[in-house]
Amino acid sequence: DTGVSQDPRHKITKRGQNVTFRCDPISEHNRLYWYRQTLGQGPEFLTYFQNEAQLEKSRLLSDRFSAERPKGSFSTLEIQRTEQGDSAMYLCASSTRQGPLYNEQFFGPGTRLTVL
Amino acid sequence: AQTVTQSQPEMSVQEAETVTLSCTYDTSESDYYLFWYKQPPSRQMILVIRQEAYKQQNATENRFSVNFQKAAKSFSLKISDSQLGDAAMYFCAPSYSGAGSYQLTFGKGTKLSVIP
Repeated sequence: DTGVSQDPRHKITKRGQNVTFRCDPISEHNRLYWYRQTLGQGPEFLTYFQNEAQLEKSRLLSDRFSAERPKGSFSTLEIQRTEQGDSAMYLCASSTRQGPLYNEQFFGPGTRLTVL
Repeated sequence: AQTVTQSQPEMSVQEAETVTLSCTYDTSESDYYLFWYKQPPSRQMILVIRQEAYKQQNATENRFSVNFQKAAKSFSLKISDSQLGDAAMYFCAPSYSGAGSYQLTFGKGTKLSVIP
């Protein structure tokens, strides 16, 4: 399977704990995005990487959130001191600026976070 | 702020019939792309169709077609010969050049039910 993968698929944690999610994009895609989707809503943009550089961050990304993409391959999203309001589906997507599929974002299955 | 409005929270269609989902957006940008994504229950986001804003011809993908009215900032999706597998949440999502990220801005979605 050469699609976008995310791990874990589900995470249940207690308020105040730290959590980390991983995203593996499609191998030739240099652009990687994180979105957050709450129940009954469309996804909201969190942050964007081009290769290893984090070029854009949403105001939704508070200082408790940090994302990395070392070596321009997989990416991690960490949430520190989780709050109940962080409960959501975290989606990763990747895209390329080359070829017929340029700018088309391919999504992973998401990580569903529940903060108790 | 760039907004996306999907005015139909829920729609239903008889199997084999045609349905149109509406979407309007607001932007001052001239370079952008428009997408419709489908999200089946508990499954991942899948691209249905894309439209480049600079193209006047409406995109078509098998049973799916769009009516793109650039001046009116309208981007509706028509599904012909509806099938049971079309039942899902449908999201309209423009993608603007902005800071160069081409992040997606999602509407709240339209839940489509297909009646056998």
